[in-house]
Formats: sequence, structure tokens, C-alpha cells
Amino acid sequence: QSVLTQPPSASGTPGQRVTISCSGASSNIGRNPVHWYQQLPGTAPKALIFTNNQRPSGVPDRFSGSKSGASASLVISGLQSDDEADYYCAAWDDSLNGDVFGSGTKVTVL
Amino acid sequence: EVQLVQSGAEAKKPGESLKISCKASGYSFANYWIGWVRQMPGKGLELVGMVYPYDSDTRYTPSFEGHVVISLDNSVDTAYLQWTSLKASDTAMYYCARHWGGSFYDYWGQGTLVSVSS
Repeated sequence: QSVLTQPPSASGTPGQRVTISCSGASSNIGRNPVHWYQQLPGTAPKALIFTNNQRPSGVPDRFSGSKSGASASLVISGLQSDDEADYYCAAWDDSLNGDVFGSGTKVTVL
Repeated sequence: EVQLVQSGAEAKKPGESLKISCKASGYSFANYWIGWVRQMPGKGLELVGMVYPYDSDTRYTPSFEGHVVISLDNSVDTAYLQWTSLKASDTAMYYCARHWGGSFYDYWGQGTLVSVSS
């Protein structure tokens, strides 16, 4: 059972906006930055968002992140077929003294 | 260009030993933690543990401690993950990743598939 809770699935049509939530606790998201990873089918995870809302070089600005209290969100604006993937949130947990990942959300483009 | 290149897929029997590798290039190996992440079939990501090449400081997620060992060879910029006695439940994809800071992993290896079956 993952420490960070995400919805198992999300979907949208091309061009739509999709939001993925990540719910944690005061020991993790409540105190520490949140990061997001994209895992395309059959490939390794890729860094998507770091420190709540920063995009690594090369990540399109269609992807944005935010954090409020012990929860965070990833927004995909202008959904594209290439965005079909699993998305994971992650944060440091002060109580567990380690990095924890979310349960993952599968995004489907209808 | 930062790269993490992992060793190839392995098929083993329960009770056998195994050591998989992660070779880094394109940056100063000593200055960044390397993490190992497990992904069981159809499941999410779990941190196994991490190692800091500069001083060999090693940390394990409690559920993995005692079952795996993370080691280094700084002379070839390589980190390792090893088991002395594999179980069927170790069947998974294992990724190494560079820990950039604040628990963020910015570069990932391609993964090593470990299959354990009698």
C-alpha cells in the first residue's frame, strides 16, 4: 500500500485538460517538495515535474504541478495521444526517513 | 550527456544469488546519490535503497533491509544491487536513478528485469 494516494485512472479526449491528484500527510507532502514522473508503456520512468512546479529541460509547458497543504496536483493541458502513460508523484517522508511514491495513475486518451 | 546503463535481464531460480549493475557516465559519479527502485509486475514504484558514492553512505527502505545489498565500484563509476538468496517475490523490474536532491531523481537507467522461478 503506497504512502501517497493517487486515483488509479484518469482519461480525456485530445485537447482536454486532465488533473491528477496526490494525497499525502504532514510528514511528507505537508513538509517537503513533491515531484512527478511519467512512465510511458514499457519504458523507464522519466522526470516530469520537480519541487512542486518546476519542469526539467525538454518537458512541455502543457505539464504543470502545484501543491497545497498535504496534497498536490499534476495538470496536463491540451491532452495528446503521446501522454498516455502512468504518472507517479513522490516526496520525502520525515517519519519514514525515505522517499515515498504514489500508487500511480494511468492516463488514457479517448 | 548523463547516462545510467544497467546490466541485462536475468532469469534465476529461488535460492540463487545475483548482482545487477548500473554504470554512470556524463557527470561526476561521486557527487550524487544513486537510488534503486523496484517495480513489480503491474505495480507501482518502490525505493529499495540508495548509496552515496562520495563516502559510500548506504540507506535501505526497511522492508528491503537484510535481503539486498547495495554496493559500489567507484573506479568504474558503477553501483550494484545484489541478493544472496533470491525469492520468487523478487521478480520485478529494477531501476537505478540519479538522486538530484530533495528526493528528486532526474535521470533513470533503462531497467533490469529480474525473473525468479523454479
